[in-house]
Amino acid sequence: KAGVTQTPRYLIKTRGQQVTLSCSPISGHRSVSWYQQTPGQGLQFLFEYFSETQRNKGNFPGRFSGRQFSNSRSEMNVSTLELGDSALYLCASSLAVQSGVPGYTFGSGTRLTVV
Amino acid sequence: KQEVTQIPAALSVPEGENLVLNCSFTDSAIYNLQWFRQDPGKGLTSLLLIQSSQREQTSGRLNASLDKSSGRSTLYIAASQPGDSATYLCAHGSSNTGKLIFGQGTTLQVKP
Repeated sequence: KAGVTQTPRYLIKTRGQQVTLSCSPISGHRSVSWYQQTPGQGLQFLFEYFSETQRNKGNFPGRFSGRQFSNSRSEMNVSTLELGDSALYLCASSLAVQSGVPGYTFGSGTRLTVV
Repeated sequence: KQEVTQIPAALSVPEGENLVLNCSFTDSAIYNLQWFRQDPGKGLTSLLLIQSSQREQTSGRLNASLDKSSGRSTLYIAASQPGDSATYLCAHGSSNTGKLIFGQGTTLQVKP
């Protein structure tokens, strides 16, 4: 069973550019969440999508956006990149069944460096 | 503000020792608590998931407990091995909408 796949693994971008990261969840998982990990702030929640709808959003500026497609794959976009956006971006997928409480499976992450 | 605190921040032990990692949280209405392992530069590997109605979960040499009333969880690692060296993170969910609140982690080094 394939895990959560994130592409690309590494990215180097220049300040002011924009970037799109991709996440393919485990087959059958309908919830995809995104997190930013930095040495100073640790893991912080960006947003969560379920059935193509954003259900929850963290405290990040509007430059950070995302979407989910009908096949549950998700993308996140960061516009007008700043040096402080350099981080490991992780996505997690979950069954998100209504009757139970989901556990989350994480991908290997995309390492974004802004120069 | 919901917070998760992990103590200690770092731990170095000789191989073979049993050890306990601590996690405390301020939200009494958690849905679940999950322990993860992270190797340097890698993603998170789920170790154990405890639902709010459960008290503990076990997997091999790992045992995690949950006490909602005191806002604490512990991860017990038996007979530690050098391969256990990693950062261990605890996180809880407060709803079923994907938001996990993470602690800062405990970095464990097991010396041969």
